[in-house]
Amino acid sequence: GAVVSQHPSRVICKSGTSVKIECRSLDFQATTMFWYRQFPKKSLMLMATSNEGSKATYEQGVEKDKFLINHASLTLSTLTVTSAHPEDSSFYICSAPGSGGGGELFFGEGSRLTVL
Amino acid sequence: GNSVTQMEGPVTLSEEAFLTINCTYTATGYPSLFWYVQYPGEGLQLLLKATKADDKGSNKGFEATYRKETTSFHLEKGSVQVSDSAVYFCALTRTSGTYKYIFGTGTRLKVLA
Repeated sequence: GAVVSQHPSRVICKSGTSVKIECRSLDFQATTMFWYRQFPKKSLMLMATSNEGSKATYEQGVEKDKFLINHASLTLSTLTVTSAHPEDSSFYICSAPGSGGGGELFFGEGSRLTVL
Repeated sequence: GNSVTQMEGPVTLSEEAFLTINCTYTATGYPSLFWYVQYPGEGLQLLLKATKADDKGSNKGFEATYRKETTSFHLEKGSVQVSDSAVYFCALTRTSGTYKYIFGTGTRLKVLA
């Protein structure tokens, strides 16, 4: 099956700094990727849809200037949490649809961000 | 709006026990329904899916049937193994033909030897 990889898996940063998380499709091309945020004991919440070569589409309530998304190539999307604060601490997960259709998403391993 | 409700976990079972994880949904139109599994330290993986009413998805001994009359998609397995210990997510596509999912909160399963 298709493989999606995220990096880093864990990151700790100081409040006010920016953190970049990478999401790569390793063996297939992804014109679209999805970024989710997962709170403890909560479901995955879609933050934005990353579109290769164009602007990301953000879900209602997600701050575009706080969560910068760039989809520079067919295999890479990045999420940058700018001026991070402790309330941004969370588990961030990316996913991409496979090329075979059928509605299946392939997920990265997730990145746990802790802001001190 | 569309939503997915899963039973609260954690669920703790002995090996070879019967498993049911309840999932109900509310949706307009005709969503596709999915179960994803997340093993410790790994990303979510598709376990099974059903795209229309009365469809039964199955994989690795797990089954779920798309019940439109009860708006349910309960996950079952006749005999669980320790290796089935994971978090299970029920999900639906928000709009037919797209990949925008709505997920349940996840149910943690722990199987004891």
